[in-house]
Amino acid sequence: KNEVEQSPQNLTAQEGEFITINCSYSVGISALHWLQQHPGGGIVSLFMLSSGKKKHGRLIATINIQEKHSSLHITASHPRDSAVYICAVVLSGGYQKVTFGIGTKLQVIP
Amino acid sequence: GAGVSQSPRYKVAKRGQDVALRCDPISGHVSLFWYQQALGQGPEFLTYFQNEAQLDKSGLPSDRFFAERPEGSVSTLKIQRTQQEDSAVYLCAGSGYAHNEQFFGPGTRLTVL
Repeated sequence: KNEVEQSPQNLTAQEGEFITINCSYSVGISALHWLQQHPGGGIVSLFMLSSGKKKHGRLIATINIQEKHSSLHITASHPRDSAVYICAVVLSGGYQKVTFGIGTKLQVIP
Repeated sequence: GAGVSQSPRYKVAKRGQDVALRCDPISGHVSLFWYQQALGQGPEFLTYFQNEAQLDKSGLPSDRFFAERPEGSVSTLKIQRTQQEDSAVYLCAGSGYAHNEQFFGPGTRLTVL
């Protein structure tokens, strides 16, 4: 079983829809990243959070440490949001080793 | 530059050829990580440096893979006698001391024919 599980793996939405991507993990962590990866490989960090909720524009990320679960929400989705969204956890202890989920491929259709 | 840079961005190698992939982290970033991302998969940890010291190389898939960071800044990932299964995007990331947030480079897409 992977230490980080994401769902769904693929998601197609109509422009304007509210989108939720889920991440569950089974290890102790000090922080969790949500990352965005566009075709071509480059990764951008959207959020790093260790508790509660963060909001940036149309993006909202939440984490529940007790339940070992995080969600990424996109409000009023737009075709430019189409990308792969990756959940990555920073393992507690040690030197910030990161374990990644497989990613959720999102396509937003106009 | 302000971000992490990697070169080359794309590399096509013939099977058996040696390749060298370069990472320029953000100035002052103590920690440097290399990851391998196969097509359709999430990145997988390869190795970690703190300054010039390679503290963890447990993710390197074989002894054909070698990484160095001799002056604690630029890092090179070398793959000897490349095989088709080495085809992947190789990502480099750095972070400041005692910070959790990692800053990723654009990656190098390696294709081994």
